[in-house]
Amino acid sequence: GNSVTQMEGPVTLSEEAFLTINCTYTATGYPSLFWYVQYPGEGLQLLLKATKADDKGSNKGFEATYRKETTSFHLEKGSVQVSDSAVYFCALIEGGTSYGKLTFGQGTILTVHP
Amino acid sequence: GAVVSQHPSWVICKSGTSVKIECRSLDFQATTMFWYRQFPKQSLMLMATSNEGSKATYEQGVEKDKFLINHASLTLSTLTVTSAHPEDSSFYICSADAWGTDTQYFGPGTRLTVL
Repeated sequence: GNSVTQMEGPVTLSEEAFLTINCTYTATGYPSLFWYVQYPGEGLQLLLKATKADDKGSNKGFEATYRKETTSFHLEKGSVQVSDSAVYFCALIEGGTSYGKLTFGQGTILTVHP
Repeated sequence: GAVVSQHPSWVICKSGTSVKIECRSLDFQATTMFWYRQFPKQSLMLMATSNEGSKATYEQGVEKDKFLINHASLTLSTLTVTSAHPEDSSFYICSADAWGTDTQYFGPGTRLTVL
């Protein structure tokens, strides 16, 4: 079956530091890949997505590239802010669409200090 | 943007009682809604897929008679936890596919505590 593995957290960084959260996946076929963010007290929000190999998703300074050869979708940001403190989830949907059942990673808690 | 609401946001109930959780898409129609369960410091686990006007599809290991799902309209799905027990205490989250926007939107979640 499908699975998503994220680097374990929590991750603690100082403001303006570089962020990487690793994500690898196992899936049949060619899935669509997503990063969701959950701010304290709020619902999950789509941060970025990529639906085919070599696509790069980007939003709010965050980027992730769909790497089929390494089955990875690592999240990066060049300079984090305190407001980026949240839980980040990597996820996939089978079949290259944006509809359907999401399989989530375990989530990574990010805390950014001033 | 598209908004999904859940009600209540938190509920405490006695063991043996039933609890209903509502999930509404406020400004779009959702032909498909999903129900997830999230344990502390763990990921979201899909419980069931709900399609308007038809029976829900449950994931393996989820008791359909315990977690009743009704998707009565294009904007409302409900999850009823029947005869709740302390082990049902969890954070329940719904999401909805927004047709035409290529995006799935999530509700803020409902914290259920069974005493």
